[in-house]
Amino acid sequence: DAGVTQSPTHLIKTRGQQVTLRCSPKSGHDTVSWYQQALGQGPQFIFQYYEEEERQRGNFPDRFSGHQFPNYSSELNVNALLLGDSALYLCASSGQAGNTIYFGEGSWLTVV
Amino acid sequence: DQQVKQNSPSLSVQEGRISILNCDYTNSMFDYFLWYKKYPAEGPTFLISISSIKDKNEDGRFTVFLNKSAKHLSLHIVPSQPGDSAVYFCAASANFNKFYFGSGTKLNVKP
Repeated sequence: DAGVTQSPTHLIKTRGQQVTLRCSPKSGHDTVSWYQQALGQGPQFIFQYYEEEERQRGNFPDRFSGHQFPNYSSELNVNALLLGDSALYLCASSGQAGNTIYFGEGSWLTVV
Repeated sequence: DQQVKQNSPSLSVQEGRISILNCDYTNSMFDYFLWYKKYPAEGPTFLISISSIKDKNEDGRFTVFLNKSAKHLSLHIVPSQPGDSAVYFCAASANFNKFYFGSGTKLNVKP
């Protein structure tokens, strides 16, 4: 049973560029959440998708957007990248109960 | 808004002894709590959870204690093993909505 898979694992972008990160949830899970983890900090909630709609959003600007597909996979898009967007981006999936979330290995984004 | 706090950035314990990691929260609406372990260059791995209707939950060497009146939870690892060396995060949510994480405690178990 594949867990949560994310791609790419590492990438480097230039300030002002746009990036798309991808996530496939654990089998049987229909809810996908995205978190940003800066160095030395805990993960910060970006947003959550359920039934292809954004259900909740954390304190992140509109430059951060997402999408969920009918197969429950999800994308995180970040526009107009800033140096401060450099972080580990984690995707987490959960099932109907939502009481436990499983994380992927993350996508390391470096903005130069 | 730092609703979940882990005030000890690091902890060093001898192999075989008990490791106690602490976490405090401010939001009385939180009703579900998780502990995660994270190795470098990997995503967090779920360890153990506890609902607010309980004050203790055990899973093998790991026990989580919840003190609702103090808004405090702790993770006990007995006995500690060198493979337990990692960063431990606690997380909390209200009604299984978004999770708030602490900043982590780096545990070093010395052989």
